[in-house]
Amino acid sequence: DVKVTQSSRYLVKRTGEKVFLECVQDMDHENMFWYRQDPGLGLRLIYFSYDVKMKEKGDIPEGYSVSREKKERFSLILESASTNQTSMYLCASRPNLHSTDTQYFGPGTRLTVL
Amino acid sequence: AQSVTQPDIHITVSEGASLELRCNYSYGATPYLFWYVQSPGQGLQLLLKYFSGDTLVQGIKGFEAEFKRSQSSFNLRKPSVHWSDAAEYFCAVGPRYNTDKLIFGTGTRLQVFP
Repeated sequence: DVKVTQSSRYLVKRTGEKVFLECVQDMDHENMFWYRQDPGLGLRLIYFSYDVKMKEKGDIPEGYSVSREKKERFSLILESASTNQTSMYLCASRPNLHSTDTQYFGPGTRLTVL
Repeated sequence: AQSVTQPDIHITVSEGASLELRCNYSYGATPYLFWYVQSPGQGLQLLLKYFSGDTLVQGIKGFEAEFKRSQSSFNLRKPSVHWSDAAEYFCAVGPRYNTDKLIFGTGTRLQVFP
């Protein structure tokens, strides 16, 4: 079974703090993703990565950066957290062998910025 | 613009009743289509997907969906709902041959009464 794990289920930070959200997958998937989930807005793609050290902006990259130093790990970084970044963050991964390979999701991290 | 519409924010059904969740999309060409389910406190799990071929697709947990090109719809159905089906359901679309760029609907929350 594919397993995507996220380092924290719940996180509380203060405005201005630097925040790291970590995601690890154990299936040697090439592609990894960070989404933000908000009520009434569904899931929106922040960044994705198709290889180590490679990244591509999604629909809402402002205020975020990412790091992928190893194939299995994809980090989302909030350089200076703000209250409007309070949200549920979901990580996903997928293999890149076929165009029909689907995304597998982690359990999510609920981040509250005070 | 490409978009996915789930017109029902919240649906309540009795256990044993039939279910249909609506999904309409706006896309330049026939996309890949997906339904995901998110149980409370969990990440997203793929229920089913449509890439090509038979327009009625079967998924896990007894769900099915029908692709109707003329109506730009991909509605999810289940003949008899179980209490464990209570969750949030997301429809998603993506370009053919690239499942990295998914567009998600805003979700439908399903409540099941005994």
